[in-house]
Order: sequence, then structure tokens, then C-alpha cells
Amino acid sequence: EVQLMESGGDLVQPGGSLRLSCAASGFTFSSYAMSWVRQAPGKGLEWVSTISDSGDSTYYTDSMKGRFSISRDNSKNTLYVQMNSLRAEDTAVYYCARQVRGWHFDCWGQGTLVTVSS
Amino acid sequence: QSALTQPRSVSGSPGQSVTISCTGTSSDVGGYNYISWYQQHPGKAPKLMIYDVTKRPSGVPDRFSGSKSGSTASLTISGLQAEDEADYYCCSYAGNSVVFGGGSRLTVL
Repeated sequence: EVQLMESGGDLVQPGGSLRLSCAASGFTFSSYAMSWVRQAPGKGLEWVSTISDSGDSTYYTDSMKGRFSISRDNSKNTLYVQMNSLRAEDTAVYYCARQVRGWHFDCWGQGTLVTVSS
Repeated sequence: QSALTQPRSVSGSPGQSVTISCTGTSSDVGGYNYISWYQQHPGKAPKLMIYDVTKRPSGVPDRFSGSKSGSTASLTISGLQAEDEADYYCCSYAGNSVVFGGGSRLTVL
């Protein structure tokens, strides 16, 4: 069974940093691109970032370029996102998702909540 | 990277059909056939319902269908059932990125 499990969500002050992790199981992790998608409370889905299967290529939504950094460790079947200079508007549930051809997301984790507040 | 435009809410009675539209531009919906739709129940993760405009993943009922004309994609749900009540999001490839719609809440009356 394909499983994705996020962790690392927390309450952080504005300007702070946080690293989220996503542990994958049930599939060959190194064969898939992976992504982060977030959802602010009561709002819609927002794509955050994507990393290629090898980790050689990364992509970001404009508003997060320079602040967020996606990475992966294929030996540990784990996806990461390092989030710096956090703002109140970054408050959201962050989902990791497996990405398939056509940039579709066929499997999602349960999400982890990041709250940015003083 | 502006969000795709969806109606905020749609509704229908059990057994009826509803269609949710998703309007973008030539840089996203109109430029690629990489359109997907996601269903999200409250407090749950999204679920892929349609991909490549018209394809259904294994396990998704054939009551769900997708289409596209120009820069507008559509999701049609026929034979509405109570469990279809949820939020629905369209998503389009937009050149090394994706953009989601704002979401549509489906109410089954």
C-alpha cells in the first residue's frame, strides 16, 4: 500500500524556520517526482514545489522562491521542505504528494499543520 | 500563476447530474491536456478523480467524467450520490508548474 506520512509541523514565530519531512513507503520512491501542496485554513489548494525523481531538478511557485527549499533522500525514502523567513500567510496544512506523468498527484499524505504566529 | 476560476458552489439532488467548470488561460488549461480534478472531504486529503482531462484512476466510479474546450475544463458528476458532497479542485499543468482552481463546494440536496 502506498503511504505518505508528513511530520514536522509546528507553531513558529514570524521570520522563523521549519523543516517538514514526508516518509514514503509502498512504492519505489526514487522513481517518482514528489511535490508539496499546501492549504491555508478554509482556503483552496496551492502548489508549493516539486522535485524530480533524482533530485536534480526543483521547481517552486513564485511567492516561495528563495524562501523554501525542497530536497529528498532516496536512500531514506524521504522528502523534505526547508521553510525560511516564514510569514503569517504561510500558515497552512502542508501535504506531500506523489507526482505522476502530466504533473498529476495520485497519492497524498494526511498533511501536517504549520502555524506562523507570534 | 493566477488560480483557475471555478464556481464557489454547485448543488444538485440525488440522481441528477452537475457540471463544474474550470477556466484558465492559454498558458495553462488552454495550452495542455494535463488537467486533473481532486475531491476533498472535510478534514481529509485530496483524492485524484480525473487526470489527463478525461481519464479516471482505478476505483473512481464512471459517474465522474471530464472534458475540455479551449481554456475551460469541466467535471461532470452524473447520478449524484450523498457521498459526492465535497470540495472539488481542478488543476492544470502550466509549464514546469501547476495551478489549482479556487475550489467548488458540491452540495447534494
